[in-house]
Amino acid sequence: AQTVTQSQPEMSVQEAETVTLSCTYDTSESDYYLFWYKQPPSRQMILVIRQEAYKQQNATENRFSVNFQKAAKSFSLKISDSQLGDAAMYFCAYRHQGGSEKLVFGKGTKLTVNP
Amino acid sequence: DSGVTQTPKHLITATGQRVTLRCSPRSGDLSVYWYQQSLDQGLQFLIQYYNGEERAKGNILERFSAQQFPDLHSELNLSSLELGDSALYFCASSGRVSGTGELFFGEGSRLTVL
Repeated sequence: AQTVTQSQPEMSVQEAETVTLSCTYDTSESDYYLFWYKQPPSRQMILVIRQEAYKQQNATENRFSVNFQKAAKSFSLKISDSQLGDAAMYFCAYRHQGGSEKLVFGKGTKLTVNP
Repeated sequence: DSGVTQTPKHLITATGQRVTLRCSPRSGDLSVYWYQQSLDQGLQFLIQYYNGEERAKGNILERFSAQQFPDLHSELNLSSLELGDSALYFCASSGRVSGTGELFFGEGSRLTVL
């Protein structure tokens, strides 16, 4: 069974600084997706960024970028120029690229942004 | 707006009672997933339906059941409720061939069992 591990229960960053959230996963599959979801206090699940495993290039969405290391099964999220609105729980998630497969989530990292 | 609609948004009930949570997936999405998020916990997969058929089952209690109807909406039934069932229940949907691979989440139904 696939597993996702987020080893940092909590992280903090100063406004305008950069922070990196870690995620590792375990799978025997070769085709899959990886995601970072953000859950602010409103509890809505918001997709931050996605990565297809077959793509070597790391995904980037504005201030958010990932470092995808397929061999190491590592998928970290870098947030640049952190803003107060970035404060939230961040969940790393895995999904086998087999069609209607479920998302497997890590336990999350709570990010605090200090003004 | 993800396009996934969940009702009710909030529900308060007593132990031993039964509730039904409803989910309407995005237009055209055939798969519906149910997740449970207890306080300060991650998301636990409960069950998945695909075009009316159960596709995968996770950590779903026997007191819980779900179904997906011909119009593709889904209901999660929780019975003999216990205090520990208090949680946020998310529904998510995905397409038959989802080029993006992501699941689209509703806003959740917050269940409080007193």
